[in-house]
Amino acid sequence: AQSVTQLDSHVSVSEGTPVLLRCNYSSSYSPSLFWYVQHPNKGLQLLLKYTSAATLVKGINGFEAEFKKSETSFHLTKPSAHMSDAAEYFCVVSGYSSASKIIFGSGTRLSIRP
Amino acid sequence: GAGVSQSPSNKVTEKGKDVELRCDPISGHTALYWYRQRLGQGLEFLIYFQGNSAPDKSGLPSDRFSAERTGESVSTLTIQRTQQEDSAVYLCASRLAPGESYEQYFGPGTRLTVT
Repeated sequence: AQSVTQLDSHVSVSEGTPVLLRCNYSSSYSPSLFWYVQHPNKGLQLLLKYTSAATLVKGINGFEAEFKKSETSFHLTKPSAHMSDAAEYFCVVSGYSSASKIIFGSGTRLSIRP
Repeated sequence: GAGVSQSPSNKVTEKGKDVELRCDPISGHTALYWYRQRLGQGLEFLIYFQGNSAPDKSGLPSDRFSAERTGESVSTLTIQRTQQEDSAVYLCASRLAPGESYEQYFGPGTRLTVT
């Protein structure tokens, strides 16, 4: 079965320290992978996507993610957290055997301590 | 250009009433998705439309839920005889094409409260 797992439901970091949000997937195919962010009471916004080009993907707001096929991971990182990064983050995998099926992870809530 | 819009933004209804939620996708986007997001939870897939193909209804939780889309334009999600467990934010997303590399564009959602 294909799936995506976000390993942490909640991550808390201090402002100015690095952020790591973990995502693992399983797939029989070479998938496309996405990270979306959802700020409180707002819609989802695309942060970045991997589509079988460069394995290190840079997104908006200083975020980046690295596709590691051998580890089936697509972790999201940022060198220095900002208060405005506090939000819910979703890892998403697409492609599989049916173009209609886009699998969302359960989400990771990122809190930033002053 | 304009993004995905949804209306109403908020809807409060009494248990047992029917509600209709609307989604206007980005013009030219052939794929449209409906999701449900309960408080503090992830996204739950409901239904997918792709062009004039038969929709993928595999995520609809019961026969009280139905959705329509006219061509590649507006979609409506209808919930009949609403129950309190239907309270959630209903999100619509559109996508340029069904290929896996295309990202989804989400609307702001409709917050449904069933009293």
